[in-house]
Amino acid sequence: KNEVEQSPQNLTAQEGEFITINCSYSVGISALHWLQQHPGGGIVSLFMLSSGKKKHGRLIATINIQEKHSSLHITASHPRDSAVYICAVRPGGGADGLTFGKGTHLIIQP
Amino acid sequence: DGGITQSPKYLFRKEGQNVTLSCEQNLNHDAMYWYRQDPGQGLRLIYYSQIVNDFQKGDIAEGYSVSREKKESFPLTVTSAQKNPTAFYLCASSIGGFTGELFFGEGSRLTVL
Repeated sequence: KNEVEQSPQNLTAQEGEFITINCSYSVGISALHWLQQHPGGGIVSLFMLSSGKKKHGRLIATINIQEKHSSLHITASHPRDSAVYICAVRPGGGADGLTFGKGTHLIIQP
Repeated sequence: DGGITQSPKYLFRKEGQNVTLSCEQNLNHDAMYWYRQDPGQGLRLIYYSQIVNDFQKGDIAEGYSVSREKKESFPLTVTSAQKNPTAFYLCASSIGGFTGELFFGEGSRLTVL
């Protein structure tokens, strides 16, 4: 079974800082998801990617398949970015199911 | 607006009681899922359904049951056989099974007293 490790577990930063959250996994995958969980508990899908890089507004997600590593970047961070960011991977080889990381708790202070 | 609606948001249950969590989606998605979230742990799959009248056990199905009589609805019953039911439960859906982007509900927090 794939192991998914996220770092850091907790991150506090000042408004405007550039944020990087990392995700590493142990076996080959066919896709990786980045999710955002709001303080109330609801989850929003940010990105689904299998190679390269995707950008949406101030958010950028990259993946290196060879290194088994993905990063989520937030530029010009804002207090409303405060949330838990979760990485999830879908295995290759036609297997079902996602393996989720434990999440990174991000707090952006004004 | 299209989306997933879970209810209730908060639920309290006495030990030995069954409780049913509702999940409804109007996204016309074929696949629906139930996940459990515990503090400090990643989401874990309870059950999933790729099509009406069919569902599969996930990693932690023991003590839970589901039905999928309509495409829009995928209720989860937490039975008295579930030994540690206090948790946050999330329902999700996608267009193409595990290959598609996931859409989540707001979650239901169950507390067993």
